[in-house]
Amino acid sequence: SYVLTQPPSVSVAPGQTARITCGGNNIGSKSVHWYQQKPGQAPVLVVYDDSDRPSGIPERFSGSNSGNTATLTISRVEAGDEADYYCQVWDSSSDHQVFGGGTKLTVL
Amino acid sequence: EVQLVESGGGLVKPGGSLRLSCAASGFTFSSYSMNWVRQAPGKGLEWVSSISSSSSYIYYADSVKGRFTISRDNAKNSLYLQMNSLRAEDTAVYYCARDGGGPNSGSDYWGQGTLVTVSS
Repeated sequence: SYVLTQPPSVSVAPGQTARITCGGNNIGSKSVHWYQQKPGQAPVLVVYDDSDRPSGIPERFSGSNSGNTATLTISRVEAGDEADYYCQVWDSSSDHQVFGGGTKLTVL
Repeated sequence: EVQLVESGGGLVKPGGSLRLSCAASGFTFSSYSMNWVRQAPGKGLEWVSSISSSSSYIYYADSVKGRFTISRDNAKNSLYLQMNSLRAEDTAVYYCARDGGGPNSGSDYWGQGTLVTVSS
């Protein structure tokens, strides 16, 4: 089955740039979505189809995808960005959705 | 305003059954694929099942295939998850989520979730 690998944690100072990676075999050929989840809340879609933003999501959130790694980039990080972030793809070979294990973003 | 409201969670013994419901409003339910995603306490997100807008296509995670059944009633704007032969490892918050509508759109709206606890 297809596996997505994320770092368990990423730390960044306010105002700096956070990069959260999502590794998978030839993930560049897939459409990657990213979700933000704060404690006690439902996930929120922040990037879809590798690099598109839903309405209402700040431009500070961006995504890229190439080769074996997709990346969620959060520019000018704010305290309110502290959350768990998950990547997701649809694996057409198994007809399964797949989530990465999640990355906890800590704002120092 | 798009709303998804899950219900039906609770405490059930191992081997028991439970039926979750998700009431949708604020959009044309019959036009969207829907998903169930769960999250065990302190763990990450796990996809459970998906169903296309007309129920023509249904998919399950290996961990629930043969035990869980997803269905929908477009006339009632409702999504369901029938869960049988429940195990302790099925304990989780279960979310229903709407697919965005396009071929590569992600799940753009989520309910607040309903907690299922499987314990003797």
